[in-house]
Amino acid sequence: DIQMTQSPSSLCASVGDRVTITCRASQSISSYLNWYQQKPGKAPKLLIYAASSLQSGVPSRFSGSGSGTDFTLTISSLQPEDFATYYCQQSFDTPRTFGQGTKVEIK
Amino acid sequence: EVQLVESGGGLVQPGGSLRLSCAASGFTFSSYWMHWVRQPPGKGLVWVSRMNSDGSTTGYADSVKGRFTVSRDNAKNTLYLQMNSLRAEDTAVYYCARDRCSGGSCYYEYWGQGILVTVSS
Repeated sequence: DIQMTQSPSSLCASVGDRVTITCRASQSISSYLNWYQQKPGKAPKLLIYAASSLQSGVPSRFSGSGSGTDFTLTISSLQPEDFATYYCQQSFDTPRTFGQGTKVEIK
Repeated sequence: EVQLVESGGGLVQPGGSLRLSCAASGFTFSSYWMHWVRQPPGKGLVWVSRMNSDGSTTGYADSVKGRFTVSRDNAKNTLYLQMNSLRAEDTAVYYCARDRCSGGSCYYEYWGQGILVTVSS
């Protein structure tokens, strides 16, 4: 199975901060990388697919980049509604493995 | 509006069985691959199973292979997960998710609200 490792596991940030979350795959996955946001008690929500494509309806402050084994999710200016846990997921191979999550908390 | 609604969860004893359902609406269910993803309490997301659009192809995580069976009824717009020989480590919120593939890249565009399965004596 392809292992997905996110860093950091958690971070504290303030409204307006630029936030970057990293995801590393244990082997090359081309650009088959998705990002999801999950709030407590809610289902995950798709933010980014194919490493850098913004899902319809998702604010433009979210962006994704990377290919091969290293990927990043960037929130350009953190908003109050962005405090949540973020997961990367590879769709290069089955099983479609997820990273362990990055919890973004209020500083 | 796309909706996925899971049902059938609850408390079951170790070794018991449970069948989850995922009722779909707002789209042509028979055109989409569907997946089950679970999330143990306080932990991350784990892929469980998948089924292709016509029900001819399935896939399972090693942890559930031989115990769980995914199926679908396209006439009823419903996805199922039959869970047998349940273990404490199967305790989780189970989500159904609609797959979408674009340009070779696949992702979960829609998710259900999730249903809790608790395996405990």
